[in-house]
Amino acid sequence: GEKVEQHESTLSVREGDSAVINCTYTDTASSYFPWYKQEAGKSLHFVIDIRSNVDRKQSQRLIVLLDKKAKRFSLHITATQPEDSAIYFCAASPNNYAQGLTFGLGTRVSVFP
Amino acid sequence: SVLLYQKPNRDICQSGTSLKIQCVADSQVVSMFWYQQFQEQSLMLMATANEGSEATYESGFTKDKFPISRPNLTFSTLTVNNARPGDSSIYFCSSGDFRYFGPGTRLTVL
Repeated sequence: GEKVEQHESTLSVREGDSAVINCTYTDTASSYFPWYKQEAGKSLHFVIDIRSNVDRKQSQRLIVLLDKKAKRFSLHITATQPEDSAIYFCAASPNNYAQGLTFGLGTRVSVFP
Repeated sequence: SVLLYQKPNRDICQSGTSLKIQCVADSQVVSMFWYQQFQEQSLMLMATANEGSEATYESGFTKDKFPISRPNLTFSTLTVNNARPGDSSIYFCSSGDFRYFGPGTRLTVL
């Protein structure tokens, strides 16, 4: 089955700088890659996704890059703000809605002033 | 968008007992998934809840231990049978488009 490795377990960034979280996956059948934010004691909140037919997607301060050849995708949080502090999870799925997500282990992002 | 509600928010039960977790969507959801999250760890896909048919379970999760019902497109129930302390975790339902997660049910088994 699919395995998703999330390379950074923690990230500490200065407010205004960028944070980058890298994930790799193993299954070439995976074609959908969402990212989630989880604040302490709360549920997962979808932040951005990318599908395998594109290699870059941006939503406001969030950029997702996908390198299918390397089976790698990354989340870039630009111009970080204190409210970006949370745990971020990457995930992968074959995107056929019949199979659920395989998650990475999460990255705890801390934004300091 | 879809809103998912879970009941109860949290529960404490004794080892050996069973408990039910309900997930209700405010609109029809074709697929629904259940995930388990241990404290501050990753989420593990437990099963896919299919309307009117048996759930599809992932490796490590069985229908005897975690029976799931999905009587219609807005409702699903996860039961934890013969609960053990190792089942203490947070259980989430999610919509099949991967966009929405329920608030979670925090289970503590004593």
